[in-house]
Amino acid sequence: DAKTTQPPSMDCAEGRAANLPCNHSTISGNEYVYWYRQIHSQGPQYIIHGLKNNETNEMASLIITEDRKSSTLILPHATLRDTAVYYCIVRPRGATNKLIFGTGTLLAVQP
Amino acid sequence: DTEVTQTPKHLVMGMTNKKSLKCEQHMGHRAMYWYKQKAKKPPELMFVYSYEKLSINESVPSRFSPECPNSSLLNLHLHALQPEDSALYLCASSQPTTGTEAFFGQGTRLTVV
Repeated sequence: DAKTTQPPSMDCAEGRAANLPCNHSTISGNEYVYWYRQIHSQGPQYIIHGLKNNETNEMASLIITEDRKSSTLILPHATLRDTAVYYCIVRPRGATNKLIFGTGTLLAVQP
Repeated sequence: DTEVTQTPKHLVMGMTNKKSLKCEQHMGHRAMYWYKQKAKKPPELMFVYSYEKLSINESVPSRFSPECPNSSLLNLHLHALQPEDSALYLCASSQPTTGTEAFFGQGTRLTVV
């Protein structure tokens, strides 16, 4: 299974863009990159996922490098409610359906 | 309806008790998961059911016994637990294919005394 590396913590000012990096240098060709977040004491929440192309939805944008060895999650206008642990996950291909969480990044949005 | 419902929200049990955690979804998902999360740690995968059959058991002790009675329900039966089993237990569901998102419940906070 491809492993991911994320900084343990980051700060961001409210209203500014939050850019959360993730390294996944051993990713295989058919493995997706997923981002989830977990607000304190709640269940993880799906944010976005992608394979090769950049993706955008109402919550965030996902930028994947051309070699697919790293990605960046962008929250365009961070709010205090975006304070959470953000997990970058590479989902193994095949029928195993595993979703394995790494240690994640604690994003603290400051007023 | 994109909700995964877990009951109870909180549970305190003794080491000799038998209890069950319940998880329900009505999104037509055919994969369901149990995770265990200790404080300040990421969720750890315990079990995966695919089409109501156990497909993954991550070497979980037998005092945890999963059950998937139908495509909407997932249970976790608990027996003879230890205090170190105290944790947040999370249920999730998804379609059983790569490239789809998983939805998580809010978890059951279990305390073993």
